[in-house]
Amino acid sequence: DILLTQSPAILSVSPGERVSLSCRASQSIGTSIHWYQQRTNGSPRLLIKYASESISGIPSRFSGSGSGTDFTLTINSVESEDIADYYCQQSNSWPTYTFGGGTKLEIK
Amino acid sequence: EVMLVESGGGLVKPGGSLKLSCAASGFTFSSYALSWVRQTPEKRLEWVATISSGGNYTYFPDSMKGRFTISRDNAKNTLYLQMSSLRSEDTAIYYCARHKATVADYWGQGTTLTVSS
Repeated sequence: DILLTQSPAILSVSPGERVSLSCRASQSIGTSIHWYQQRTNGSPRLLIKYASESISGIPSRFSGSGSGTDFTLTINSVESEDIADYYCQQSNSWPTYTFGGGTKLEIK
Repeated sequence: EVMLVESGGGLVKPGGSLKLSCAASGFTFSSYALSWVRQTPEKRLEWVATISSGGNYTYFPDSMKGRFTISRDNAKNTLYLQMSSLRSEDTAIYYCARHKATVADYWGQGTTLTVSS
């Protein structure tokens, strides 16, 4: 199985900060990584697909980068509504797939 | 608007069975692969099962094989998950998700399963 390791587990930020969330794969997966946001009591929402492709309706402050084994989700100028859990998911082994353990974004 | 609405969760004793449903609307149901994904109390997301658009192919992680069955009724726009020999570690929120290519682009609101005596 392809393992995904997200770091940090918890990230405390101030509004307006630029933050980067990391996702590392146990083997090279090209750009087959997707990012999801999950707010409290909500369902996962797709933010970025295939490492860097934007999703309609998602604010432009969210962007993704990386390939191979190292991937980053960047939020430019964090807003209070961005407080949530963030998960990466790999589909390189489709139709099987796995998720990272998540990063919790908190406001300082 | 794409909508996925799960139902059927509840409290089940260990060793019991349960069938979950996911009613879909707002898209051509028969054109998309679908999955069940669960979220444990520790908030970990786990892939449970995937079914192809026509229902001919199903996929499970090794840990779910033999106890879980995924099926769909394209005439009723509904996805199902039949679970048996349930264990306490199956306690989770169960989400259905639509796949556009390999991406889970829409998720339902989830239904909660608790396995406890």
